[in-house]
Amino acid sequence: QGQLVQSGAEVKKPGASVKVSCKASGYTFVAYGITWVRQAPGQGLEWMGWISAHNTNAKYAQKFQGRLTMTTDSSTTTAYMELTTLTSDDTAVYYCVRAAALDWFDPWGQGTLVTVSS
Amino acid sequence: EIVLTQSPATLSLSPGERASLSCRASQSIGTYLAWYQQRPGQAPRLLIYDASKRAAGIPARFSGSGSGTDFTVTISSLEPEDFAVYYCQQRNDWPLTFGGGTKVEIK
Repeated sequence: QGQLVQSGAEVKKPGASVKVSCKASGYTFVAYGITWVRQAPGQGLEWMGWISAHNTNAKYAQKFQGRLTMTTDSSTTTAYMELTTLTSDDTAVYYCVRAAALDWFDPWGQGTLVTVSS
Repeated sequence: EIVLTQSPATLSLSPGERASLSCRASQSIGTYLAWYQQRPGQAPRLLIYDASKRAAGIPARFSGSGSGTDFTVTISSLEPEDFAVYYCQQRNDWPLTFGGGTKVEIK
């Protein structure tokens, strides 16, 4: 069925960068991709982007273009999400989810809280 | 970008009652719609995909319907664990988008 385990909570200062990892197990990593979704406190879900675990194909939400980098490492079955130039608006729980291109999101990682505060 | 509008924002019901949640798309998306449930403090989980197919392990009291622009998820008889927030999501085109969510709360 698959499982995704994310790295722990982070506290960052405005202007800094954050890199969140997502370790996949229990399925063929390169047969799917990884989607990143975030959720600000008390708010809804926001799709950030998707990356193939098989090749370099990726899709980014326009609002994160230039600030978001998604990568995967098939040797360790781990995906990474790096967000730069952080502001307080980036304070959120970040989720990784298994998904093929234009596909449903299942299963979800447990989430990583990123707090941006001076 | 395809905009998904969910209604109502909040639904106040008692255990055992029937719940109907709506999701409307800004353009036709066929049956490329999913529903997710998010309980407090937890990650979302897939409930319904392709508008009407239950995901693995989802109880039969959950059902989905609709196509084109109008979709509904119905919970036939609310159990205590069903009080949560529900999101719809489309996979018809990039960027993938979510609705704003419907909170089902205990009346």
